[in-house]
Amino acid sequence: KQEVTQIPAALSVPEGENLVLNCSFTDSAIYNLQWFRQDPGKGLTSLLLIQSSQREQTSGRLNASLDKSSGRSTLYIAASQPGDSATYLCAVWGSNYQLIWGAGTKLIIKP
Amino acid sequence: DADVTQTPRNRITKTGKRIMLECSQTKGHDRMYWYRQDPGLGLQLIYYSFDVKDINKGEISDGYSVSRQAQAKFSLSLESAIPNQTALYFCATSESLRGNTQYFGPGTRLTVL
Repeated sequence: KQEVTQIPAALSVPEGENLVLNCSFTDSAIYNLQWFRQDPGKGLTSLLLIQSSQREQTSGRLNASLDKSSGRSTLYIAASQPGDSATYLCAVWGSNYQLIWGAGTKLIIKP
Repeated sequence: DADVTQTPRNRITKTGKRIMLECSQTKGHDRMYWYRQDPGLGLQLIYYSFDVKDINKGEISDGYSVSRQAQAKFSLSLESAIPNQTALYFCATSESLRGNTQYFGPGTRLTVL
């Protein structure tokens, strides 16, 4: 059974720092991996989607990498800003039609 | 206007009551999903629907039922609410291809006393 783990559960850093969020999964037979952002009261927003054949995806200050063989993905945030404060979740599509989710990393960027 | 809307946004109910959570979307997507989120846990899939005539159970469907009234509407019912169904509930939609990104509503916070 696929399991997705995100470490750390919470992270607090000063504004301007570069940071890395981690996601690991137990079954490497994934279709793709997605990173989402969750803001209180606003639901979830898709940030990046990496197909299983890809190694990374970039959007603005965000870069997500995927190493399927080791069951790991990282989300790199450059030059962090207070507006980046949110919970970041990763999720994998497996062989069935369901997304399997990690519990998220709560990120706080201090001004 | 939001593409995926959920009503109500907050609901407090008592054990044993029947309640319905509603989801509407204007994205024109065939696929719709209901998830619940508990503190410290990832989202768990309750039900999903590929189209109006195709409804499937997710990993935690016990105690829940759904109705897909139209392409744009997908409702979740708790037939007899219990306290451990207290959670944040999300509706989501996606295009037909497997693996496409999902678009989420703002969530419904449900408390069962």
